Amino acid sequence: KQEVTQIPAALSVPEGENLVLNCSFTDSAIYNLQWFRQDPGKGLTSLLLIQSSQREQTSGRLNASLDKSSGRSTLYIAASQPGDSATYLCAVGEWGSGNTGKLIFGQGTTLQVKP
Amino acid sequence: KAGVTQTPRYLIKTRGQQVTLSCSPISGHRSVSWYQQTPGQGLQFLFEYFSETQRNKGNFPGRFSGRQFSNSRSEMNVSTLELGDSALYLCASSFGYGTASTDTQYFGPGTRLTVL
Repeated sequence: KQEVTQIPAALSVPEGENLVLNCSFTDSAIYNLQWFRQDPGKGLTSLLLIQSSQREQTSGRLNASLDKSSGRSTLYIAASQPGDSATYLCAVGEWGSGNTGKLIFGQGTTLQVKP
Repeated sequence: KAGVTQTPRYLIKTRGQQVTLSCSPISGHRSVSWYQQTPGQGLQFLFEYFSETQRNKGNFPGRFSGRQFSNSRSEMNVSTLELGDSALYLCASSFGYGTASTDTQYFGPGTRLTVL
């Protein structure tokens, strides 16, 4: 059974700091890994998608890496800003009976960036 | 391009009642997935529909059901509500065909269900 773990559960940093969020998964039979952001009481916003054959993806100040063999992904946020404060969720796409399957989510890392 | 919409946004029900939630996917998307989010269990997959067929199902009791219409809109139904069904219910849409590895899921704002 696929399990996704995110460490740390919460993180507080001063504005401008670079930071790394960690995600680990137990079964390497995934077709992609996605990072999402969730603001309080809101839905999820997709940040980055890494295909299973890729090693990393970048978007602006965000960089995500994937090491399938070790079951790990990291989300790097450069020059953090107060607007980055949110919960960050990692999810792996698991093959189901159809062409696509279901996402298995970690519990998230709640980030607070202090001005 | 309009995003994923969910109605209603908030709902209050009592134990034993049933509820129907609605999700309209992004235009052109044929896959709709439903997730339940609670503080204790986090985000858990309920089911996925593609072209009006349930393609995947999570580990939830039969009280949770869904369907998809020919225009890809989806509904989920929860019968005989229990206190533990209080949660944020999120739906996500994606193309659902082609290369799975590049098929990003786009989430709606969710329906907040409170069971009293």
